[in-house]
Amino acid sequence: EDQVTQSPEALRLQEGESSSLNCSYTVSGLRGLFWYRQDPGKGPEFLFTLYSAGEEKEKERLKATLTKKESFLHITAPKPEDSATYLCAVQAGGDMRFGAGTRLTVKP
Amino acid sequence: NAGVMQNPRHLVRRRGQEARLRCSPVKGHSHVYWYRQLPEEGLKFMVYLQKENIIDESGMPKERFSAEFPKEGPSILRIQQVVRGDSAAYFCASSPEGPLNAQPQHFGDGTRLSIL
Repeated sequence: EDQVTQSPEALRLQEGESSSLNCSYTVSGLRGLFWYRQDPGKGPEFLFTLYSAGEEKEKERLKATLTKKESFLHITAPKPEDSATYLCAVQAGGDMRFGAGTRLTVKP
Repeated sequence: NAGVMQNPRHLVRRRGQEARLRCSPVKGHSHVYWYRQLPEEGLKFMVYLQKENIIDESGMPKERFSAEFPKEGPSILRIQQVVRGDSAAYFCASSPEGPLNAQPQHFGDGTRLSIL
């Protein structure tokens, strides 16, 4: 069965303290891996799509990478406004399967 | 450009009543998806619809739940005879092409359903 596991569940950082979030997946025939950001009371906001191992995408302080078994979301010098829950999702067949998310808190 | 619009944002129902959740996709998107999210859990796929057709309803309970996406108007997720366990946030997403093209889905801000 397709599975998506995110770690850690929660992460507290000081402003400027870089770190990485992990998304491990087991799926047959990956078509795409997606990263989303979700703020409280809001819907997920699309960040990146990765299609094949070795691919990288960057946006401001965020960089997503993909291997055959996992993806990392690297956050460089985070700011308090980066605080949110980050969701990873994989698409193999018809449905998109989400992990439970990493809740990131960045303290000033 | 308007994103995915869901209404109502909050819905309170008593046990046994019906809940109707509406979703207008991004203009030009003909593929709609419904998800359910419980606190501290990830989004769970429920159903995928393309205009006037249900393509995949494998994540939707067989009883009491139904979904439609008519030729005109929003997509509707309908829950009949609601029970306490139906309390959750329900999110709708849309995409311009189907999931086999692995395009990102764009989400609305959800409907928070509370059952008294």
